[in-house]
Parts: sequence; structure tokens; C-alpha cells
Amino acid sequence: AQSVTQLGSHVSVSEGALVLLRCNYSSSVPPYLFWYVQYPNQGLQLLLKYTSAATLVKGINGFEAEFKKSETSFHLTKPSAHMSDAAEYFCAVSLQGGSNYKLTFGKGTLLTVNP
Amino acid sequence: DAGVTQSPTHLIKTRGQHVTLRCSPISGHKSVSWYQQVLGQGPQFIFQYYEKEERGRGNFPDRFSARQFPNYSSELNVNALLLGDSALYLCASSADRSSYNSPLHFGNGTRLTVT
Repeated sequence: AQSVTQLGSHVSVSEGALVLLRCNYSSSVPPYLFWYVQYPNQGLQLLLKYTSAATLVKGINGFEAEFKKSETSFHLTKPSAHMSDAAEYFCAVSLQGGSNYKLTFGKGTLLTVNP
Repeated sequence: DAGVTQSPTHLIKTRGQHVTLRCSPISGHKSVSWYQQVLGQGPQFIFQYYEKEERGRGNFPDRFSARQFPNYSSELNVNALLLGDSALYLCASSADRSSYNSPLHFGNGTRLTVT
């Protein structure tokens, strides 16, 4: 079984400040990890994914995340927030070697960017 | 190329009724998954179909069913609607059966309200 915990349901930053969204996972086997973004009234868009290659993963829109097995974490960062980054962010996990494409999502973190 | 399309975009039903939601995957994608997103929560996995066969089922009652057609489009059916079924229903498609190498592309969802 796998699960995801996103620490902080709401994060507020100033434009130009560092964005840090936290995600911890639990998985009985090596996981694949994902970050998705959801804008109001839209579906989810993939930001980046970890699939056991490099532990530092770069995604779209300047986001990146680092897989830390010892901490069971996959935190999402961006050096400088932009107003357009305001959205809800979801961390998700799936099992390596799985026979299907089941993603288990966290509850999400709403990012607010203040001018 | 068109993305994942879902219909209808919004739907209002009464308790006890039946509902059918439709999804057309990205051209060439053979896998379709359904997720339920209750307000304020992350999406929850309902079903995955790949090559017209069920490949995964989440923890949902038998009132929920789905199927995939020869053209890879899909329907999600929910019988005997309850108030708790009110949610955004997301369809996602991918080229492959599992999550290793194939991103999951989400549609914008169908907003179901049960009164």
C-alpha cells in the first residue's frame, strides 16, 4: 500500500520568494513520485515525475523536486514565485513494477502568491 | 492535437438517479483512468481500463462501473446516486498501462452535483 502526506494545506508566499511545498510518502516498494498542478475549474497538469533515475528532477515552469529516500520525501521547490504559480498542487505516488496506473494523491496544497 | 475531453462539463442529478459520464482519450492512448475529486481533497482512483479490459479498481462500491469501447473512449456509470457522490470526476489517459514512461493526461472533469 502507498500513501502521501502533504504538509500544509495552504502556503502563502510573496512574488519573487522561494516556493517550498512539502510531500512525504509511504510505500512498501520503491515508488514513482509525481507533482501535479491544478488551476481553478481545470484538470491536473503534470509538473514533474521521479522514476528512479536522477534524484533531482526538473519540471516545467521552473519547478524542481528532490527524492530523498532516507527522509521519504519529495518536496517541490521553485526559486522565485510568479503570480501565475497560484494554484493547487498535488503530490502523488504509484508503485514501481505495478501492473496498472493507479496514482495515490495527497490532499493538496493551495499556493497563494502575493504581489 | 486535442487533449482528453469529457462530457458533460456539469451535471445536476437527484438522489437515487443514475448518471453516465463520458471520456475521449488523447488520440493513440489506449489507457483510460477515472478519478473522483471531492471538494478540498485530492483525486481518488476509481478505475483503469487498458485495451478495453479493467486493469485496476479503487475502493468504491459496486454502484460505480465503467467500460471502454473499441475506439478507447470510456464511460463511467454511477447508479443509485447519493449526496456523497457529488464531486469532480476526472478522466485521464496514457499511452501505456503503467506509470513508468507514460505521463497521465487529465481532462477538465465533469462536475456532478447530487441534490
